[in-house]
Amino acid sequence: NAGVTQTPKFQVLKTGQSMTLQCAQDMNHNSMYWYRQDPGMGLRLIYYSASEGTTDKGEVPNGYNVSRLNKREFSLRLESAAPSQTSVYFCASSEVAGGTYNEQFFGPGTRLTVL
Amino acid sequence: LAKTTQPISMDSYEGQEVNITCSHNNIATNDYITWYQQFPSQGPRFIIQGYKTKVTNEVASLFIPADRKSSTLSLPRVSLSDTAVYYCLVGRSYGQNFVFGPGTRLSVLP
Repeated sequence: NAGVTQTPKFQVLKTGQSMTLQCAQDMNHNSMYWYRQDPGMGLRLIYYSASEGTTDKGEVPNGYNVSRLNKREFSLRLESAAPSQTSVYFCASSEVAGGTYNEQFFGPGTRLTVL
Repeated sequence: LAKTTQPISMDSYEGQEVNITCSHNNIATNDYITWYQQFPSQGPRFIIQGYKTKVTNEVASLFIPADRKSSTLSLPRVSLSDTAVYYCLVGRSYGQNFVFGPGTRLSVLP
């Protein structure tokens, strides 16, 4: 099992450009998440998907859109990148939404720089 | 939204036991307490989770007093490879209620 995979690993954009970060998991998890982590900070939740077909905003959703393509894949799109979106982006998945706590499994991250 | 407070950084020496305490005064009845570990350039990794009293696994122990307003992560006999950032989270499962604070940066010295 690969777990949670993310592409690309690194990306440099110019202000105003768009791009999509891809995430896939092979653990048959229902829930998936996108976080961003700025230098020296904790992770902040951008969007999450409790189950296939649903998405909800997290703490910092502005400037982003997401698509839960199927149970395996959850993409994050930046329509018009800004320097403030320079960060490391992590995708995660977990077994079941709601109820008792379920461990989140994280991908290796995408390091994005917006010039 | 349960907020947590933990020390920004801690230093320890190899072979010592390390205890990291987290305060969560407004924890809700249904909230669980979870700890994650993050190495540089990697995503966080689940360490341990508990609801009350004591939980132990092969990596760590988690102590939660009766009032649940704080918790302590205990790492026995740390090694250099335990140098990482440790996050305390409080929440039921996911979404806006599940917040990563700045964490505790643990440095293990030889």
